[in-house]
Amino acid sequence: EVQLLESGGGLVQPGGSLRLSCGASGFSFSTYAMAWVRQAPGKGLEWVSGITGGGGDTYYADSVKGRFIISRDNSKNTLALQMNSLRAEDTAIYFCAKTTTIVTPIDYWGQGTLVTVSS
Amino acid sequence: EIVMTQSPATLSVSPGERATLSCRASQSVAYNLAWYQQKPGQAPRLLIFGASTRATGIPGRFSGSGSGTEFTLTISSLQSEDFAVYYCQQYNNWPLAFGGGTKVEIK
Repeated sequence: EVQLLESGGGLVQPGGSLRLSCGASGFSFSTYAMAWVRQAPGKGLEWVSGITGGGGDTYYADSVKGRFIISRDNSKNTLALQMNSLRAEDTAIYFCAKTTTIVTPIDYWGQGTLVTVSS
Repeated sequence: EIVMTQSPATLSVSPGERATLSCRASQSVAYNLAWYQQKPGQAPRLLIFGASTRATGIPGRFSGSGSGTEFTLTISSLQSEDFAVYYCQQYNNWPLAFGGGTKVEIK
């Protein structure tokens, strides 16, 4: 059974940093692309970042480019999102997501972790 | 950047009735369109990919159609568990993009 478990969310001040992690199990982690998708309170879904199975290629939404860094450790089956220079508009639930390639639908989602950026 | 527009924003339907949801892309995405269902407090769930292929375990009352820029999700006979928010998503080009969602509520 595929399982994705996010951690690392919390309250952070504007301009601060936070690192999200996602532990994956139940599939051959290094074979699949992974992504982060976020959802602001009461709002829709926004694709944040994606990374290929080998980790060699990364993709970012314009809204986070230059501030967020996606990475993965295939030896530990973990995905990470380093978030720097956080803004109030980054407040959202962040979902870890599994895809087949970087341009395929999300077939599994984690339950999400809440990030709140506020002073 | 491709923009996805869903209509209507809210759809009020009685149980047992048909629901038709629309999704429009600002440029062609071929058949690279997915639909997701999200219930309150839950992660989204993949319903349809390739514009018309049901994901594993999705009931036959859900069907998708369309190509290019115009897509439709049809729920043939709404069940109580189908009242939720539905999102379309294009995966033809990066950045991948979701529509704003359609909330299907009980009439």
